[in-house]
Amino acid sequence: GDSVTQMEGPVTLSEEAFLTINCTYTATGYPSLFWYVQYPGEGLQLLLKATKADDKGSNKGFEATYRKETTSFHLEKGSVQVSDSAVYFCALYTGNQFYFGTGTSLTVIP
Amino acid sequence: KAGVTQTPRYLIKTRGQQVTLSCSPISGHRSVSWYQQTPGQGLQFLFEYFSETQRNKGNFPGRFSGRQFSNSRSEMNVSTLELGDSALYLCASSRVPTDTQYFGPGTRLTVL
Repeated sequence: GDSVTQMEGPVTLSEEAFLTINCTYTATGYPSLFWYVQYPGEGLQLLLKATKADDKGSNKGFEATYRKETTSFHLEKGSVQVSDSAVYFCALYTGNQFYFGTGTSLTVIP
Repeated sequence: KAGVTQTPRYLIKTRGQQVTLSCSPISGHRSVSWYQQTPGQGLQFLFEYFSETQRNKGNFPGRFSGRQFSNSRSEMNVSTLELGDSALYLCASSRVPTDTQYFGPGTRLTVL
């Protein structure tokens, strides 16, 4: 069935380090792909999305490219900040329902 | 524009009781989805409502039910609570089912 697999956490980085959180998916058809972020005590917020192959979603310095050949949608940021500390969820939408990964916790230390 | 609101934010119940959670979507949004979030399982889809009709349902027992009203507000009910039902229950709304979902802050349910 349809599913999302994302990198296990937790991830701890120093401020200004490069971030990659891996996400791969299994789906029939042509899903839309999303990254959501959850800050402590809050619900999920949409970070970025891509709706077709080779699309690049970007927001707040984060980027992810929809790679159909590798069924991946890895999240990257060139220089993380302490305020980026949160849990990141990769998700796909098949036209029927959303499927979420288990989340990757990121802690950025000064 | 107000975001998705969920009430109550916190609930403590005992095994065997039932509970009702409420979700008010963003104005103009007609689709509401519910998710259960636990540390081990991540987000698991419960059900989705659109224009008062259940459009889709996840793999949860019949103790979990929901409904949507004509003003798009939604409620979910869990009967005969079990310890394993302790979780953060998230509601998300969108204009239509295929659109981007916007999440509420969640209701933290603790079953003792």
